[in-house]
Amino acid sequence: DIQMTQSPSSLSASVGDRVTITCRASQSISSYLNWYQQRPGKAPKLLIYAASSLQSGVPSRFSGSGSGTDFTLTISSLQPEDFATYYCQQSYSIPLVTFGPGTKVDIK
Amino acid sequence: QVTLKESGPALVKPTQTLTLTCTFSGFSLSTSGMRVSWIRQPPGKALEWLAHIDWDDDKFYSTSLKTRLTISKGTSKNQVVLTMTNMDPVDTATYYCARIRGYGDYNWFDPWGQGTLVTVSS
Repeated sequence: DIQMTQSPSSLSASVGDRVTITCRASQSISSYLNWYQQRPGKAPKLLIYAASSLQSGVPSRFSGSGSGTDFTLTISSLQPEDFATYYCQQSYSIPLVTFGPGTKVDIK
Repeated sequence: QVTLKESGPALVKPTQTLTLTCTFSGFSLSTSGMRVSWIRQPPGKALEWLAHIDWDDDKFYSTSLKTRLTISKGTSKNQVVLTMTNMDPVDTATYYCARIRGYGDYNWFDPWGQGTLVTVSS
């Protein structure tokens, strides 16, 4: 199975900060990488698919980049509703997809 | 609007078999290209993909859990059923179903159901 790692595992930030989360795959996955946001007690929500495509309805402060093994999710100006846990997920080996361990973003 | 909702027991005993139902609306699993997955999340932990079923009834399972899982279309056209045998306390988790969307070789989970918490305890 393809293993996914994320860094950092958690971070503290203030409203208005620029936040960057990194995801790394154990082998090249081209651009088969998705990002999800999960607020406490809620189901995950798709933010970014195919590494850099913004899901409809998702604010433009979210962006994704990368290909191969290294990927980044950026929040350009953190808003109060963005405090959540973020997961990357590879779909290169679909149906055997795997998720990263998550990055928790909380308030500084 | 596409929605999915999970249902099943909140509590099961060790060694029992868990049966969960995903009831969805806004799409048909008979339509070419449609797929539904099950994913779980132990409390405070990460997401783990379990299984998925295609419109043509192809089925796929997690390598580590495939001997315990069965996914099937339900008796109603808008349902998918997951059974997991020999439940253990480590299987305590919120279980989600989600539609798989995509284009070409790109695929993603959207939307997700609200999830159902299953606790395994005697």
